[in-house]
Amino acid sequence: GENVEQHPSTLSVQEGDSAVIKCTYSDSASNYFPWYKQELGKRPQLIIDIRSNVGEKKDQRIAVTLNKTAKHFSLHITETQPEDSAVYFCAANPGNQFYFGTGTSLTVIP
Amino acid sequence: GAVVSQHPSRVICKSGTSVKIECRSLDFQATTMFWYRQFPKQSLMLMATSNEGSKATYEQGVEKDKFLINHASLTLSTLTVTSAHPEDSSFYICSAPRDRGNTEAFFGQGTRLTVV
Repeated sequence: GENVEQHPSTLSVQEGDSAVIKCTYSDSASNYFPWYKQELGKRPQLIIDIRSNVGEKKDQRIAVTLNKTAKHFSLHITETQPEDSAVYFCAANPGNQFYFGTGTSLTVIP
Repeated sequence: GAVVSQHPSRVICKSGTSVKIECRSLDFQATTMFWYRQFPKQSLMLMATSNEGSKATYEQGVEKDKFLINHASLTLSTLTVTSAHPEDSSFYICSAPRDRGNTEAFFGQGTRLTVV
């Protein structure tokens, strides 16, 4: 199956700074890349996604970039706020299955 | 967004017993559902893909006889952990895409299983 790697595993930023999380994938058939935010003990929630025919997508303070050639995609959060603190997962969908990255625990320090 | 409901949210069982977890799509039909296992502070590990009307597809290393999956209808998939042992204690979570292909997958609330 698909192999998704995610870095860093933990990330601490000062409130107002930007946070960047990077993922790579292995299966060139993957064509859908969602990002999920998971708070402790809760279900993952989709925050943004990108399809392989698009290089970049932005939604307010959140943006995602995709480089199909290099098989990597990144999540960018600007003007971070304490409520952004959570675990973030990237995922790749090579068909009809979702494979998740290892997660990044983001802490935004007030 | 679509709603996926998972039940129970928490369960404690004795070692050797079996536990059934249900995953329902409440406002859409899900021909496919995914079952994940998540250890504390770790990622979601895909265990199996549940297919309505056919056998589930298990990921490498997942015991089919240990984790029985049944997808009897377009809105319900069940995961049964058979002869549970303490090492099966974990957070189990299901998800279902609304459509085939490149669409968002909606997650259930998850089930915290503790085997004592």
